[in-house]
Amino acid sequence: GESVGLHLPTLSVQEGDNSIINCAYSNSASDYFIWYKQESGKGPQFIIDIRSNMDKRQGQRVTVLLNKTVKHLSLQIAATQPGDSAVYFCAETGSSNTGKLIFGQGTTLQVKP
Amino acid sequence: KAGVTQTPRYLIKTRGQQVTLSCSPISGHRSVSWYQQTPGQGLQFLFEYFSETQRNKGNFPGRFSGRQFSNSRSEMNVSTLELGDSALYLCASSLDLYQETQYFGPGTRLLVL
Repeated sequence: GESVGLHLPTLSVQEGDNSIINCAYSNSASDYFIWYKQESGKGPQFIIDIRSNMDKRQGQRVTVLLNKTVKHLSLQIAATQPGDSAVYFCAETGSSNTGKLIFGQGTTLQVKP
Repeated sequence: KAGVTQTPRYLIKTRGQQVTLSCSPISGHRSVSWYQQTPGQGLQFLFEYFSETQRNKGNFPGRFSGRQFSNSRSEMNVSTLELGDSALYLCASSLDLYQETQYFGPGTRLLVL
């Protein structure tokens, strides 16, 4: 079936370092990808998205990279701050031509002061 | 602009009861999707509504249903509750269907005893 997976369940980084969160997706037909951040007790918060006609997109302190050849997505966070501590999910639209999102299991980012 | 709102935020029910959850999308958004989040299964798609019509449905039993009103507000209903229905139910809205960014509400935490 369709699935999106994250390589590491937990990532621990030092404050000020850069973080890289990875995601492998299985559906080569997916053409829209989103990264969400979820803090405890809250709903997922949109971080950044990318369409399949791009391989890189930058936001404020975040960059998403898409490698369609190996079906890999990554989220880079520059100068990680304690407020970045959360669970990060990648999501894809899959092969269905609807708004349905398929989520990975999530990576917990822990920022050490 | 106000974000997605969900009511109630917390619910405690007993097995066999039914429950109705409500979602108000961001103003101007016409598409509403529902997701169930549990520690074991992660985020799973329930259904998606657009123009008062269900456009897509996830792999959930018929006890899970929903609807959308003309003002784009949506409700989901779970009948004959089971212990396994305990979860965080998330609503997301987007401007339109198909590869549009979905913005999530805070969720309704349902506990079934």
